[in-house]
Amino acid sequence: AQKVTQAQTEISVVEKEDVTLDCVYETRDTTYYLFWYKQPPSGELVFLIRRNSFDEQNEISGRYSWNFQKSTSSFNFTITASQVVDSAVYFCALSEAGETSGSRLTFGEGTQLTVNP
Amino acid sequence: ETGVTQSPTHLIKTRGQQVTLRCSSQSGHNTVSWYQQALGQGPQFIFQYYREEENGRGNFPPRFSGLQFPNYSSELNVNALELDDSALYLCASSFYSLRTGELFFGEGSRLTVL
Repeated sequence: AQKVTQAQTEISVVEKEDVTLDCVYETRDTTYYLFWYKQPPSGELVFLIRRNSFDEQNEISGRYSWNFQKSTSSFNFTITASQVVDSAVYFCALSEAGETSGSRLTFGEGTQLTVNP
Repeated sequence: ETGVTQSPTHLIKTRGQQVTLRCSSQSGHNTVSWYQQALGQGPQFIFQYYREEENGRGNFPPRFSGLQFPNYSSELNVNALELDDSALYLCASSFYSLRTGELFFGEGSRLTVL
């Protein structure tokens, strides 16, 4: 069975600090996909990134960066120079390659990030 | 804004009642999935619909059912409501493609069962 663990329930930082959100996953598949979604107070989840299991290159998008390490089954997310608008709940998610259409995601419990001014 | 709209935004029901939640998918998307998110937890996959047929289901009992219409709008029906059904119900639309996972979510319908 697949599982996603986000050990950090809540993180609080001061604006401009860097912050890393941890994600550890379990799956028996050799082909799978990892995601990060952001959930602001309005409720809708916003897609941030998808990474397939064959691509271990780190990715940077503006202030966001992701570190994927298959050896430790981790897919961590770093926000550099955090801003108040980054305050939200962040979810890590997993989709196995056998799932039709890729819309069946297994989510972690989420990390509530609060960025204080 | 994702272009996915859900209604109603909030509703209150009593145990044993039935509820219908509605979702309008983003234009061009032909797949809809539904998730249940209990307070303080991550979303859990209920089922997905493609071409008006259910083609994937999570660990939810048959009293959770759905419909997808030709215009790609969708409904989630829950019969015989239980207290544990209280949650945020999220609809997500996407274009059918293997290994996508990029879902566009609505803001959800918050259901309270008393």
